[in-house]
Amino acid sequence: DVKVTQSSRYLVKRTGEKVFLECVQDMDHENMFWYRQDPGLGLRLIYFSYDVKMKEKGDIPEGYSVSREKKERFSLILESASTNQTSMYLCASTPTGWRNQPQHFGDGTRLSIL
Amino acid sequence: GQQLNQSPQSMFIQEGEDVSMNCTSSSIFNTWLWYKQDPGEGPVLLIALYKAGELTSNGRLTAQFGITRKDSFLNISASIPSDVGIYFCAGHNLSGTYKYIFGTGTRLKVLA
Repeated sequence: DVKVTQSSRYLVKRTGEKVFLECVQDMDHENMFWYRQDPGLGLRLIYFSYDVKMKEKGDIPEGYSVSREKKERFSLILESASTNQTSMYLCASTPTGWRNQPQHFGDGTRLSIL
Repeated sequence: GQQLNQSPQSMFIQEGEDVSMNCTSSSIFNTWLWYKQDPGEGPVLLIALYKAGELTSNGRLTAQFGITRKDSFLNISASIPSDVGIYFCAGHNLSGTYKYIFGTGTRLKVLA
């Protein structure tokens, strides 16, 4: 089974802090994704990466950046956290191949910005 | 970004009842996925559909890829308390990317 591990289940940070959310997958997948999940809005794509050091903006990249230095690890960075970034963050991965392969998700990080 | 219209938004049902939910889109998809998300957990893939008209089962769950390629349906038969959670659909639209578009979810509560 695919295992996508997010480093923290719950995180509380203060406004203005730099926040790192980490995601690791153990299936040698090329593609990794970061989403945020808010009630009534579903999952919205922040960034994705299709290879080491490669990244593409998703639908809501503002206020976020990402880092992919190793194939198995994809980090989401909140450069200066704000209260409107309080949300559930989900990481997902999928192998290269058919572009419609299902995405496999981690358990999420519930982030609160005070 | 585009989102799918998923309905109902929430439902309360009695244990043992059957459940139906659906997703619709204004554009054609080539793949439909159905996920379940338990409280405090990430989404888990239930069923993947790759062909218009396809009907696929996973235990008590059955999903169908609509003939028009603009909708998909998920049915749960004889619901049990552990079916509680949020069910999401996701569609892929031949955009040449790996991006999926997600529905807003159906929250299911089962009354024992």
